[in-house]
Amino acid sequence: GAVVSQHPSWVICKSGTSVKIECRSLDFQATTMFWYRQFPKQSLMLMATSNEGSKATYEQGVEKDKFLINHASLTLSTLTVTSAHPEDSSFYICSARDTREGYEQYFGPGTRLTVT
Amino acid sequence: DAKTTQPPSMDCAEGRAANLPCNHSTISGNEYVYWYRQIHSQGPQYIIHGLKNNETNEMASLIITEDRKSSTLILPHATLRDTAVYYCIVRVIPNSGYALNFGKGTSLLVTP
Repeated sequence: GAVVSQHPSWVICKSGTSVKIECRSLDFQATTMFWYRQFPKQSLMLMATSNEGSKATYEQGVEKDKFLINHASLTLSTLTVTSAHPEDSSFYICSARDTREGYEQYFGPGTRLTVT
Repeated sequence: DAKTTQPPSMDCAEGRAANLPCNHSTISGNEYVYWYRQIHSQGPQYIIHGLKNNETNEMASLIITEDRKSSTLILPHATLRDTAVYYCIVRVIPNSGYALNFGKGTSLLVTP
């Protein structure tokens, strides 16, 4: 089956610094990737939709200048959390939409971000 | 996408069948029923999907009522590794790239 990887799997950073999270589709091309955020004991909440070669579409309430998304190739999307604060600590999950028949979405394993 | 309703939690004994219900009374004719699960601290995993016929794969069976207003995911022989949050999602495929809308799901606990 289709595999999506994320790097790093966990990261601890200091308040005020920036952190980049990578999402890769390993064996398929993904014109669309999605970024979700999940706080403890809550469900996944969509942050933004990323289309290869164009600007990401952010959900209401998500600061696009704080969460920078780049989808420069058909297999890689990055999420950069700029000037991170403790309230940004969360589980970040990406999914990639397979452009082959079926248009299924496959999820990465997630990245645990802790801001101290 | 149609809204879904699931019980917040369920228990199941190991080796027994786990039957997880989902209500989607406002489902449209072109909407599919999808099931995903999320094991703690992992990304969601696709389980199965269907339109109106019952479906079965190596992981589970999906039973959809004739009026399509509800469905049941069946794990025939639950194991401890099936402990997870199970999400029932209704969506149109193929879609134009819309993300999956996760509700609160059902937290399934499989006990020894």
